Amino acid sequence: GNSVTQMEGPVTLSEEAFLTINCTYTATGYPSLFWYVQYPGEGLQLLLKATKADDKGSNKGFEATYRKETTSFHLEKGSVQVSDSAVYFCALSDSSGAGSYQLTFGKGTKLSVIP
Amino acid sequence: ETGVTQTPRHLVMGMTNKKSLKCEQHLGHNAMYWYKQSAKKPLELMFVYSLEERVENNSVPSRFSPECPNSSHLFLHLHTLQPEDSALYLCASSHHLGGAGTGELFFGEGSRLTVL
Repeated sequence: GNSVTQMEGPVTLSEEAFLTINCTYTATGYPSLFWYVQYPGEGLQLLLKATKADDKGSNKGFEATYRKETTSFHLEKGSVQVSDSAVYFCALSDSSGAGSYQLTFGKGTKLSVIP
Repeated sequence: ETGVTQTPRHLVMGMTNKKSLKCEQHLGHNAMYWYKQSAKKPLELMFVYSLEERVENNSVPSRFSPECPNSSHLFLHLHTLQPEDSALYLCASSHHLGGAGTGELFFGEGSRLTVL
């Protein structure tokens, strides 16, 4: 079956530090990959996505590249801000089967950015 | 009005109570979902509705009973819950069923449930 593994949190960084949150996946078909973000007290919202190998998704200074050879989709940001403090979820959807409407999520990684 | 609204935001109930969670979406979407978010576990998809018809029921115990009276409203009826059911219950919607597969899921803020 499909699965997503994210690095364990929490992650605490100083403002303007470089961020990497690792995500690897297993999938039986040809998945699309996503990063969702959950700010305190809010629901999840889509941050970025990539639908095929070597695609790079980007939004709000965050980037992630779909690496088929390493089955990875690591999230990066060059300079984090306090407002980036949130929980980040890696997810995949497998478009090859009947369950293409199902997203498989990782456990989430909590990021805290201190001034 | 925000896109997906959930009420109540917080709920405390005993194991013998009956309560309901409500979700309303103002986006004109045709598919709605219930997810369970527990600490240190991946989000669990519980139920999926498309055009008011249930599409998926992921082996959820019968003490959770969903209802979708129209494409804008989704309920989760709760009865005789267990303490391990305490979690954040998230409602989501997408334009159509395949929208989730493209990541176009819009989530509500969640209902925090505590079962005593």
